Amino acid sequence: QKEVEQNSGPLSVPEGAIASLNCTYSDRGSQSFFWYRQYSGKSPELIMFIYSNGDKEDGRFTAQLNKASQYVSLLIRDSQPSDSATYLCAVKGYGGSQGNLIFGKGTKLSVKP
Amino acid sequence: ETGVTQTPRHLVMGMTNKKSLKCEQHLGHNAMYWYKQSAKKPLELMFVYNFKEQTENNSVPSRFSPECPNSSHLFLHLHTLQPEDSALYLCASSQDLGTDQPQHFGDGTRLSIL
Repeated sequence: QKEVEQNSGPLSVPEGAIASLNCTYSDRGSQSFFWYRQYSGKSPELIMFIYSNGDKEDGRFTAQLNKASQYVSLLIRDSQPSDSATYLCAVKGYGGSQGNLIFGKGTKLSVKP
Repeated sequence: ETGVTQTPRHLVMGMTNKKSLKCEQHLGHNAMYWYKQSAKKPLELMFVYNFKEQTENNSVPSRFSPECPNSSHLFLHLHTLQPEDSALYLCASSQDLGTDQPQHFGDGTRLSIL
């Protein structure tokens, strides 16, 4: 059974701080890694995706991938109250059933003004 | 505007009713998905369609019946549902089933079974 694990939180950070969201996955064959943001009552919104080991930066967001440790993280710099949401980690392998996205339960982030 | 539109946004139905959820994507994608999101649980994949053909049925009970008439439209027909089927049902689409293709979600249908 392929699993994606996230700390459910809530993770509380002050405005302007760095929020660090972590995710581990069980399937070593996983190839693609996605971070979604979901506001309460809304649909998941794609924030970033990463395929290669290392860091990928996009504005205030940085995704970090370590395939050897089966670990992917999302850093949010200069956190804003509008970043308060649930962040979903999703993992995908190769084609067929392995190509399906496996989601974690999500980490709830709260940014305090 | 997400590019993926779901209707209705909210649905309340009795266990003996028959209803359908509709999803339409305006992104030119070829793959479409149905997910179920329940409280305290991860998103659960239900069905996958690629170029109108079903490629995945994730052991979904037969009271859920999907239909994909073309690459832009996806339906989920509901019949004789149970209270535990109350959840948010999300539709998503992607360019294809490739590992590097992100999925884009609609706003979902909040379903309540009485």
